[in-house]
Amino acid sequence: SQQGEEDPQALSIQEGENATMNCSYKTSINNLQWYRQNSGRGLVHLILIRSNEREKHSGRLRVTLDTSKKSSSLLITASRAADTASYFCATEETSGSRLTFGEGTQLTVNP
Amino acid sequence: DSGVTQTPKHLITATGQRVTLRCSPRSGDLSVYWYQQSLDQGLQFLIQYYNGEERAKGNILERFSAQQFPDLHSELNLSSLELGDSALYFCASSVVTRPANYGYTFGSGTRLTVV
Repeated sequence: SQQGEEDPQALSIQEGENATMNCSYKTSINNLQWYRQNSGRGLVHLILIRSNEREKHSGRLRVTLDTSKKSSSLLITASRAADTASYFCATEETSGSRLTFGEGTQLTVNP
Repeated sequence: DSGVTQTPKHLITATGQRVTLRCSPRSGDLSVYWYQQSLDQGLQFLIQYYNGEERAKGNILERFSAQQFPDLHSELNLSSLELGDSALYFCASSVVTRPANYGYTFGSGTRLTVV
């Protein structure tokens, strides 16, 4: 079963705009991670935020975590056509060592 | 190139057959994870090995088995294949037994088609 649910399932924007994706989860976590997957390819780790952190930045990425609401958001600023991909959140639960992935958001950035 | 090597990239086989998928983790990584990605089930965790020993088990069918060898490469064996086993199978590795503070490094996957 999927721990995370992502919203929206699909997002289409113009180059230069910001893209925001949301993730909700159900259990207590150690950390939450975001991954990107280009069509049919492997997943690429983007950013990790620990349960005691509220916000983290990496380049054009900004991640927030609200453990009281069990939710996270990923913001991609000044999007580029090359950002077109599926984005997944993944949680490491306090009870186990593995990552559980959400269903993903398909982002399309139009040039 | 992520450093995690999966072979073969594509595999087409008939129902009832058995296949072996291979994964070489990134140099220095002791943990190997196997995931199955299908359209209807999403990314499902199958199994984890750490330094040769099984550490965690997920939604892995009894028809599937895996192992990690002394050189740390891992193999996922799928037997009595069914049409529903068609999916992308990913291997990922990490340096520690738990991904706390670290992400996984994924391979490019093996696309299995059962006909």
